Amino acid sequence: ETGVTQSPTHLIKTRGQQVTLRCSSQSGHNTVSWYQQALGQGPQFIFQYYREEENGRGNFPPRFSGLQFPNYSSELNVNALELDDSALYLCASSGNRGPAEAFFGQGTRLTVV
Amino acid sequence: AQSVTQLDSQVPVFEEAPVELRCNYSSSVSVYLFWYVQYPNQGLQLLLKYLSGSTLVESINGFEAEFNKSQTSFHLRKPSVHISDTAEYFCAVSGGFGNEKLTFGTGTRLTIIP
Repeated sequence: ETGVTQSPTHLIKTRGQQVTLRCSSQSGHNTVSWYQQALGQGPQFIFQYYREEENGRGNFPPRFSGLQFPNYSSELNVNALELDDSALYLCASSGNRGPAEAFFGQGTRLTVV
Repeated sequence: AQSVTQLDSQVPVFEEAPVELRCNYSSSVSVYLFWYVQYPNQGLQLLLKYLSGSTLVESINGFEAEFNKSQTSFHLRKPSVHISDTAEYFCAVSGGFGNEKLTFGTGTRLTIIP
């Protein structure tokens, strides 16, 4: 068990709706990264937050947004959901050693219908 | 820009046989290299990593990988596989501090045949 927890584990949304996914990082970690893993694909980097500021973004549209809180937990928000947003969303937390000590949560399976 | 190519999408192997999962990467800067394992309906677990130093790295469950800079490869090997090794394996690259996002390959599904 990594100490990174994500909620909810599964959810179903309708196209056009908005969704918020949550991630609690491992104790002592100040960086959170979010990834989207479509079925049969590798994870794709969405964005990263370091001490409450966005610190890098992948090739995702602005309707994907995030927050990091003072306790370093994080949210991923997706507006105007599309069918192609159906995926496993993974959160990873890391500390001062960067990706060398990144730990992933179990993921949130989002299905858009 | 960085990229990772996993040459085999599926690898079936008999139990107790050896296996190699291939990974090639492309990067314009020094890299960190990783192998992650994903069991069904679960997140990613770090299997092993290369940061610097010895080019041969090992995991606690018998896997090893060798960083080959000239061939830009980081192949994963195990001399004798077990049923419990059935999973999806992802190779990933990171540029290290200041470029910390992980770029993943498309994965290799390892199936162990009893």
